[in-house]
Amino acid sequence: ELKVEQNPLFLSMQEGKNYTIYCNYSTTSDRLYWYRQDPGKSLESLFVLLSNGAVKQEGRLMASLDTKARLSTLHITAAVHDLSATYFCAVEVEGTDKLIFGTGTRLQVFP
Amino acid sequence: KAGVTQTPRYLIKTRGQQVTLSCSPISGHRSVSWYQQTPGQGLQFLFEYFSETQRNKGNFPGRFSGRQFSNSRSEMNVSTLELGDSALYLCASRGGPGETQYFGPGTRLLVL
Repeated sequence: ELKVEQNPLFLSMQEGKNYTIYCNYSTTSDRLYWYRQDPGKSLESLFVLLSNGAVKQEGRLMASLDTKARLSTLHITAAVHDLSATYFCAVEVEGTDKLIFGTGTRLQVFP
Repeated sequence: KAGVTQTPRYLIKTRGQQVTLSCSPISGHRSVSWYQQTPGQGLQFLFEYFSETQRNKGNFPGRFSGRQFSNSRSEMNVSTLELGDSALYLCASRGGPGETQYFGPGTRLLVL
């Protein structure tokens, strides 16, 4: 059974600093997603990573995928307050559209 | 292009009642999935539909059921509601391989 572990669960960081969120999964998959969720809101798609070595960047966020290590990272560069949210990774069960989500990382950026 | 829509956005029900939630995917998308989000259990998969066929089902009791119509719109039904069914129910659609799954705004269900 596919399991997804995400850490840290909570991240409090100062504006301007860099940090990385990690997402490990237990069985093979060829699709990994990152989503953002603001309080009381739905999930906003950030990235979909489709192959080993895939790297995608949008603004201050960069996501990468290592399928051999079964690891994805979401790197935050020079954090700003607007990035405060909960970030989820989700791994797709092969051959389906079923997503297994990590526990989420609640990011708080302070001045 | 309009996004995924869900109705109603909020619902209050009492134990023992039943509820039907609706999801309209992005135009042209044939795949619809449902998820339940609670503070304790996080995001959990409920069902996946494609072209009116349920392809996968999560580990939920039989009180949870769903269907998809020929226009790709989907409904999920929860019968004999329990307090623990209080949650945010999210629907997602996808157009094709390689595309992301887009989530709707969700239906927040409160069971009293």
